[in-house]
Amino acid sequence: AQSVTQLDSQVPVFEEAPVELRCNYSSSVSVYLFWYVQYPNQGLQLLLKYLSGSTLVKGINGFEAEFNKSQTSFHLRKPSVHISDTAEYFCAVSDQTGANNLFFGTGTRLTVIP
Amino acid sequence: GAGVSQSPRYKVAKRGQDVALRCDPISGHVSLFWYQQALGQGPEFLTYFQNEAQLDKSGLPSDRFFAERPEGSVSTLKIQRTQKEDSAVYLCASSGRVVNYGYTFGSGTRLTVV
Repeated sequence: AQSVTQLDSQVPVFEEAPVELRCNYSSSVSVYLFWYVQYPNQGLQLLLKYLSGSTLVKGINGFEAEFNKSQTSFHLRKPSVHISDTAEYFCAVSDQTGANNLFFGTGTRLTVIP
Repeated sequence: GAGVSQSPRYKVAKRGQDVALRCDPISGHVSLFWYQQALGQGPEFLTYFQNEAQLDKSGLPSDRFFAERPEGSVSTLKIQRTQKEDSAVYLCASSGRVVNYGYTFGSGTRLTVV
C-alpha cells in the first residue's frame, strides 16, 4: 500500500513571496503523483501530476513540482503567491500496477497574507 | 454534463436514519469513485466502479455503507442507520478510461449526523 505525508499542516506566506509545500510518499511499487487544491466548500481541482518523464512538472496557476525518487518526495512550489492561492492543498499517490484509487495526505492549509 | 454533480450539497440526518447521496459523473466517464473526507483530513477511498461493475469496495468502513451504479452512469452511496462518526464530506469523482491521469471531483455532500 501507499502512504503520503504532508509535513506542514499550515503555511502562512506573504503575498508575492515564494512558497514550497512539502510532500513525501511511501510505496513498494512505482507510483504516479498528484497535487490537488481545494477551495472552501468546493471539490478537489487537479493542479498537476507526475506520470513519467521529466521530473519537473508544471501545472496550472503557476505551480510546479519536482519528483525526487531517491528522497521519495514531490514538493510543490510557486515563485510568487497571490491572495487567491489561499486554499487547502493535497498531495496524492496511486500505484502504477493497475489499482485505481488515490491515497491522499492530510493536506496543507496555505494562507496568503496581504 | 460539464462537471461532476453531487446532491444534496448538505444533509443533516438523525442518528439511526438512512441516507442516500447521489453522484452524476461527467457524461461518458466510465470510472467513478467515492471518497470520504473527515474534518481536517484528506479524502479516503471508499469504492470504485467501472461502468456498472463495482470493482473495489475495500474502503467501505462497514456493512452499513452500500454503493451502486446500476446503469453505469449515476451512482448512489447509501448509508444505513447513520452514526455520528459518519459525519463527513462525501466526494464523488469520475474519469475516462485512463484513470491515473487524474480524475474530476464533484463539490461533495456534507453529511452531519446529529
